Amino acid sequence: NAGVTQTPKFQVLKTGQSMTLQCAQDMNHEYMSWYRQDPGMGLRLIHYSVGAGITDQGEVPNGYNVSRSTTEDFPLRLLSAAPSQTSVYFCASSYSAAGANVLTFGAGSRLTVL
Amino acid sequence: GQNIDQPTEMTATEGAIVQINCTYQTSGFNGLFWYQQHAGEAPTFLSYNVLDGLEEKGRFSSFLSRSKGYSYLLLKELQMKDSASYLCAVVDSNYQLIWGAGTKLIIKP
Repeated sequence: NAGVTQTPKFQVLKTGQSMTLQCAQDMNHEYMSWYRQDPGMGLRLIHYSVGAGITDQGEVPNGYNVSRSTTEDFPLRLLSAAPSQTSVYFCASSYSAAGANVLTFGAGSRLTVL
Repeated sequence: GQNIDQPTEMTATEGAIVQINCTYQTSGFNGLFWYQQHAGEAPTFLSYNVLDGLEEKGRFSSFLSRSKGYSYLLLKELQMKDSASYLCAVVDSNYQLIWGAGTKLIIKP
């Protein structure tokens, strides 16, 4: 049982480049989300999904796109990378979108934009 | 606005007890989570409180007072492996998680 798998673990981009962070979970979780974590700040929600085919914006969605074509996968796309997107990104999932549920996090992806 | 406050950093001695506080002001309340995050790793679930009082789980306990907008995480018999950041997160009225910046706990021998 792998849980939540994120790739890549590290990535360096130049300003203006695009890339996709991959996230897959094998727990049949309904809810999936992407967070970014920056020093001195709490986790900030970028986008989330309550089921296949359904996505919504979080607190800081600008510059990012997501899709949820299957229950298992929830990729995060950076359209045109900017230095302000240098951060650690976490994918997280939970059993249900309803109520307060424990999140299972992926190992994180450290992105540097030059 | 919504706000979660935690101390930035705390230091404690191996074998001792430490209390990490979390105060919150949010639009509604549907529970409070504590997560542990070791450096360079993912957050992992520690506890969830939705009713007032103390929840004990081994060496870790979590307390909640909804009327005071206050919670604490109590760690007993500290071990070096407890060196980590501890994240407080509140579930608001829309069932969205509001995260504190985390408290970095340093354990000294």
